[in-house]
Amino acid sequence: DSGVTQTPKHLITATGQRVTLRCSPRSGDLSVYWYQQSLDQGLQFLIQYYNGEERAKGNILERFSAQQFPDLHSELNLSSLELGDSALYFCASSVVGTSGSGTDTQYFGPGTRLTVL
Amino acid sequence: GNSVTQMEGPVTLSEEAFLTINCTYTATGYPSLFWYVQYPGEGLQLLLKATKADDKGSNKGFEATYRKETTSFHLEKGSVQVSDSAVYFCALIAPPNYGGATNKLIFGTGTLLAVQP
Repeated sequence: DSGVTQTPKHLITATGQRVTLRCSPRSGDLSVYWYQQSLDQGLQFLIQYYNGEERAKGNILERFSAQQFPDLHSELNLSSLELGDSALYFCASSVVGTSGSGTDTQYFGPGTRLTVL
Repeated sequence: GNSVTQMEGPVTLSEEAFLTINCTYTATGYPSLFWYVQYPGEGLQLLLKATKADDKGSNKGFEATYRKETTSFHLEKGSVQVSDSAVYFCALIAPPNYGGATNKLIFGTGTLLAVQP
């Protein structure tokens, strides 16, 4: 158990819909990261938040957005869903996440599997 | 840009066989290098890491050495067990000032390891 929790575990929805994925980081971790794992794109970094502020952006679609709340939990919002958005979405957390150094380990949650029908 | 290339799977071995999973990277400067493991139905777990050239990361019998001259970080284990069956991901974090001071992980495509009794 990494200490990172994600809900829900599974989500099935239809095209055009909107969903929210939730992540609670490990106690004491200030940074939250979102990654998408799909068969065609592999594991891709989406976005990082540090202490409530957006820190870095990766290959995140405009239909997707995220935020980190004062209690440090984070939500990833996916809207106007398409079939191609079906994937496993991982959240990770780390203590700091601002140095670009490998000394700050990222701990991953179990993921949310999104299926768009 | 920064990228990671790892050998295609699946890799199928008998129990107690020697394991090598090749990983090479492209990056400017000295990235930090990681191996993550994903067991069936679970999130990613950090297996080992190395943050500078010639460092050797090790954990649970797995080892990998950061080779700057060959830009490689091959994963090895002397004697695999059935319980090692999983997907293994090689990843890097770009150093500060090369691609930005973020902690985003850049992953390879993953290698499925299947160990048979």
